[in-house]
Amino acid sequence: DTEVTQTPKHLVMGMTNKKSLKCEQHMGHRAMYWYKQKAKKPPELMFVYSYEKLSINESVPSRFSPECPNSSLLNLHLHALQPEDSALYLCASSQLGRQYTDTQYFGPGTRLTVL
Amino acid sequence: GENVEQHPSTLSVQEGDSAVIKCTYSDSASNYFPWYKQELGKGPQLIIDIRSNVGEKKDQRIAVTLNKTAKHFSLHITETQPEDSAVYFCAPREDQKVTFGIGTKLQVIP
Repeated sequence: DTEVTQTPKHLVMGMTNKKSLKCEQHMGHRAMYWYKQKAKKPPELMFVYSYEKLSINESVPSRFSPECPNSSLLNLHLHALQPEDSALYLCASSQLGRQYTDTQYFGPGTRLTVL
Repeated sequence: GENVEQHPSTLSVQEGDSAVIKCTYSDSASNYFPWYKQELGKGPQLIIDIRSNVGEKKDQRIAVTLNKTAKHFSLHITETQPEDSAVYFCAPREDQKVTFGIGTKLQVIP
């Protein structure tokens, strides 16, 4: 099973709402990632968790709050977002077996629209 | 950080022809070089990768070549089919940070 699942598929929220994106994998991977992808652009790394600890934060605004409750789950909590935050949010995971050369597996993404 | 250049940005080929996409990177410490295919409405999917101790890798119609001295690697697709139409990204790796190239939109014309 090489599947990363993400819910919801689509999300529409107002600027004052609080919502969460969820990501799950059952491959035993110990690294999980959040990416943001705007239309016709490449994915941009936001956060990396290694062994359930935040290892990389790419200077992401605090209105995005990641959480890794266990090795299979990754959440992204959203609060007070701006319309320019509308994008496809991708989750990925990797094994962390061989240092820095482990393959990342991506989920299908959550299409977020902020009104 | 890693500076990644990918070209061409768009590529149209006739079905059955070959397609080549090139990627250059700046960080000589990069040691993992994957190519991803992204279809409309889906997340990127790994199609082939190569590690720094190998110069070439082939998987059926897809191949990747790496020139570490020149800091570039290329994706080769032979006998293209309409289902190869998608956006392709290179994503050379520095530590846990992945920097994606700008993407190449490949269109295979039947």
